Formats: sequence, C-alpha cells, structure tokens
Amino acid sequence: DAKTTQPPSMDCAEGRAANLPCNHSTISGNEYVYWYRQIHSQGPQYIIHGLKNNETNEMASLIITEDRKSSTLILPHATLRDTAVYYCIVRVANTGTASKLTFGTGTRLQVTL
Amino acid sequence: DGGITQSPKYLFRKEGQNVTLSCEQNLNHDAMYWYRQDPGQGLRLIYYSQIVNDFQKGDIAEGYSVSREKKESFPLTVTSAQKNPTAFYLCASSMQGPYGYTFGSGTRLTVV
Repeated sequence: DAKTTQPPSMDCAEGRAANLPCNHSTISGNEYVYWYRQIHSQGPQYIIHGLKNNETNEMASLIITEDRKSSTLILPHATLRDTAVYYCIVRVANTGTASKLTFGTGTRLQVTL
Repeated sequence: DGGITQSPKYLFRKEGQNVTLSCEQNLNHDAMYWYRQDPGQGLRLIYYSQIVNDFQKGDIAEGYSVSREKKESFPLTVTSAQKNPTAFYLCASSMQGPYGYTFGSGTRLTVV
C-alpha cells in the first residue's frame, strides 16, 4: 500500500472549516483514499473514502486532486467534538482477500473556542 | 444495532500469564483484524482473517495467537512470549469491496 504524509498537528476554531491535507504521491490506480479519526482512548471511526472523484457525506467532504497524489479532508463546521487524530490511508479495496490498513501517526486536530 | 464488541474494556494480568481478548461482530463481515496501539503511536496489525478457520500474520504477530472458529468471533491470545504486552488492543472487521473498517472500542491491557 502507498505511504501517506500528514502534518502532525493542526488547530481550528470552532465553527470554521477544518482542512486536513494528505500527500500520497505514490498511490496506485487501484488504491482508494480512506479517512478515519480516533478520539482519545476509542476505536478509530470511518469517515469517508474515495477513488478519483470528490466525495461528500454527512460527516465530511473529500477532495482528491486530479493526479490523485494528494487529498484534503474537509470538516465544514468544526466543533469541539471533532478534536481527534485523523488518519489518511490508501489501500486496495478489499476484493476477496483481507485488505490490511496501514496506519501512520496521523494529524492531531485541536478544535478551540 | 450491529457492531463490534470487545471485552473487557480494561484488563490487568500478571507477567507470565496468557490472556485472551474477546472480539465479536454481528455485522456479517467476512474479514476481521487485530491491531495494537502504543501511546502516541499509530495502529500496528497483529493478525487478520478473511474467512473462518483461516488467518494470517500481520506485522507484529510474535507472542500472539488467534483463532477463527466462527464468522462472528476472532479472539486474540496474548501469550507470555510477548515481551511488551501492555497496550491498547483494537479489533476491526470489514466486508468485501471498497468499504471501510468497523472498529471495536478497544481493550486496554496492563501487565504488571
């Protein structure tokens, strides 16, 4: 699986959009980009994933560049409850064999008043 | 509601004892995984299983063992051979296709 690079930490004011970048310059054509977050002492929570097109769900938006070498997770209106470590992961979709997720150290997002 | 249940949430054991961590899912997911997390670190894969009675070693399998006798269950045994067993253990499951993992809430194991 391709490696990813994320900034170790970011701050965001409550109510503002949080834009979390991820670099995955060695991504292959069949690898998806996944985002998870982990609130302290809990299991990671799936947020969103995408292959080529931008994606949006009730939690966030995912913007993938045209060359797919980087992406940005957008939390449109950050709240204090969004304070967490955010992981960007790329992997081949689970197509019949267990597809392992490789977690880096992620970005620690601190949302402040 | 469907989900993954890990028990217990906190576990204390004496050094040299084996201990088994429970993971049960009712999501009908085929694949299941065990990860270990140390303070300030990312998750590291211990073992994973695609189907019943089949499992594969992950990146840090030494000192651990698993079984997959039922689709719903994937228990992890931390043996006395594991040199640094104190950690946060996370179980996850996934279905075939480009879907994300579902994680349990974790078991924090402390060996004294």
